[in-house]
Amino acid sequence: KQEVTQIPAALSVPEGENLVLNCSFTDSAIYNLQWFRQDPGKGLTSLLLIQSSQREQTSGRLNASLDKSSGRSTLYIAASQPGDSATYLCAIRSGGYNKLIFGAGTRLAVHP
Amino acid sequence: NAGVTQTPKFQVLKTGQSMTLQCAQDMNHNSMYWYRQDPGMGLRLIYYSASEGTTDKGEVPNGYNVSRLNKREFSLRLESAAPSQTSVYFCASRQSGHTSLPYEQYFGPGTRLTVT
Repeated sequence: KQEVTQIPAALSVPEGENLVLNCSFTDSAIYNLQWFRQDPGKGLTSLLLIQSSQREQTSGRLNASLDKSSGRSTLYIAASQPGDSATYLCAIRSGGYNKLIFGAGTRLAVHP
Repeated sequence: NAGVTQTPKFQVLKTGQSMTLQCAQDMNHNSMYWYRQDPGMGLRLIYYSASEGTTDKGEVPNGYNVSRLNKREFSLRLESAAPSQTSVYFCASRQSGHTSLPYEQYFGPGTRLTVT
């Protein structure tokens, strides 16, 4: 059974720092991996999607990497800003019909 | 373009009451999903509908029923609410076709349900 773990559960950093969020999964047979952002009391916003054949995807200050063989993905946020404060979730599409399996998320706080 | 909409935004029920959560999408997506999110846990899939006229159980279907009313709408019903169903419920939709294509899932804003 696919399991997704995100470490750390919470992170607090000063503005301007570069930071890395981690996501690990137990079964390397995945279709793709998606990173989401969730603001308090809101729904999920898709940030990046990496296909199983890709190594990384970039969008602005965000870079996501995927290493299937080791069951790991990282989300790199460059030059963090207070507006980046949110919970970041990773989700794996693995087996079944288009079903996503989510990690519990990393709650990020960027303080001025 | 509203994307995925959900009603209501908040609801309080007493144990044993029933209610239906509504979800609609205007992106002409084939697949729709219902998830629940509990504190300290990721989202868990309750039910999904791969296409109009079909529904299937997800990871945590007990205590719920669903209806895919048409291509746009996918409702979730709690027949006899229990405190364990206190959660935030998210609806999502996705275009579908060839399974290797990486179509993203788009999420609604959520319904916050409390069962007392």
